[in-house]
Amino acid sequence: GEDVEQSLFLSVREGDSSVINCTYTDSSSTYLYWYKQEPGAGLQLLTYIFSNMDMKQDQRLTVLLNKKDKHLSLRIADTQTGDSAIYFCAESSSYNTDKLIFGTGTRLQVFP
Amino acid sequence: EAQVTQNPRYLITVTGKKLTVTCSQNMNHEYMSWYRQDPGLGLRQIYYSMNVEVTDKGDVPEGYKVSRKEKRNFPLILESPSPNQTSLYFCASSAGHFYGYTFGSGTRLTVV
Repeated sequence: GEDVEQSLFLSVREGDSSVINCTYTDSSSTYLYWYKQEPGAGLQLLTYIFSNMDMKQDQRLTVLLNKKDKHLSLRIADTQTGDSAIYFCAESSSYNTDKLIFGTGTRLQVFP
Repeated sequence: EAQVTQNPRYLITVTGKKLTVTCSQNMNHEYMSWYRQDPGLGLRQIYYSMNVEVTDKGDVPEGYKVSRKEKRNFPLILESPSPNQTSLYFCASSAGHFYGYTFGSGTRLTVV
């Protein structure tokens, strides 16, 4: 079946880079997404990557996709305290591309 | 402002008392979905709708109903709530997988 896994916690110092990792099982997924959830708020789409891409960069965010290992990562450069949130990886279902399968979320804590 | 609006934000109810959580989007999106978020489980899809009068079960539909009589509204109905439905609920809409989802701010439901 379709499954997405993430580590639960990550703690980094302000100014360092953060790398949040995700593994997925459905090799037919067309799109992979990263969402951010701040306390008390809904999920906000950060970025996405097509399955035929290896990398996508958007300002401080870099997404790397390793299709062979079914591994997705999100790198946040120069991490700030405002980046503290829960980050969800999601893949589009191969049989229904409008359906997203979410991971459990990684809580990123940034300390001064 | 383009948004998904859920009401109420917080709700405490008793077992067996029917309730409805409303969801409305102003972006003319065809696809709408309900998710529940539980610690350690990430987001799980309850029901989704591809368009008006077209709805289908997600991964955890038991105990829930939905309707899609108009494009903008997608209410979630709990006919007889039980304590295991205590959760954080999110409504989301999408113009298509290319754009990802827009999420509402969430409804925290407690069933006692």
